[in-house]
Amino acid sequence: ETGVTQTPRHLVMGMTNKKSLKCEQHLGHNAMYWYKQSAKKPLELMFVYSLEERVENNSVPSRFSPECPNSSHLFLHLHTLQPEDSALYLCASSQAFDFGLYEQYFGPGTRLTVT
Amino acid sequence: AQKVTQAQTEISVVEKEDVTLDCVYETRDTTYYLFWYKQPPSGELVFLIRRNSFDEQNEISGRYSWNFQKSTSSFNFTITASQVVDSAVYFCALSEAAETSGSRLTFGEGTQLTVNP
Repeated sequence: ETGVTQTPRHLVMGMTNKKSLKCEQHLGHNAMYWYKQSAKKPLELMFVYSLEERVENNSVPSRFSPECPNSSHLFLHLHTLQPEDSALYLCASSQAFDFGLYEQYFGPGTRLTVT
Repeated sequence: AQKVTQAQTEISVVEKEDVTLDCVYETRDTTYYLFWYKQPPSGELVFLIRRNSFDEQNEISGRYSWNFQKSTSSFNFTITASQVVDSAVYFCALSEAAETSGSRLTFGEGTQLTVNP
């Protein structure tokens, strides 16, 4: 595997379900990110992990819970979601240093539908 | 607060035409970075270019070229002799120098480019 991978690619879940999205990066990076991409909206940054510590949480509802067990893996745990949470969830990674210099590399995304 | 505006929501051209995608940004920082990403129908954002605020030299990479004008806060992207494979959504993004590590990208709303044969 190369680059950034995400599983599953598609997910349909009911509002009472619990599921998790997985992201893995094979680039040797030490920062990872979750973004939400809804139709007709710009990409929204949800969480930032740098050196396995969460450094940013952009007022995301608690029904989204991130986990970063090591610098290569990132999870997004989902529970009691709402239909408006249906979107493409993108994971990205980058180097962590030099404060904004490095580009982010994205995975293919998970298309989530909440019914 | 930083902001990126891509005023062109959709552009449609015929193959071999040149096309320019506009990007205007707002920031209070003197040190910042600008990016362009391509998102084909598969969904994955593909990194195209990074430019820092101290380097206003324009760049050319094959059929792609970028025009950075600090005076007008613009970072426009031109595709020469467009091809059908260039059809995608293109995002311009801005990252300011952050106090903590990791980069925070602010994205524009994207421009859907359709290149017709």
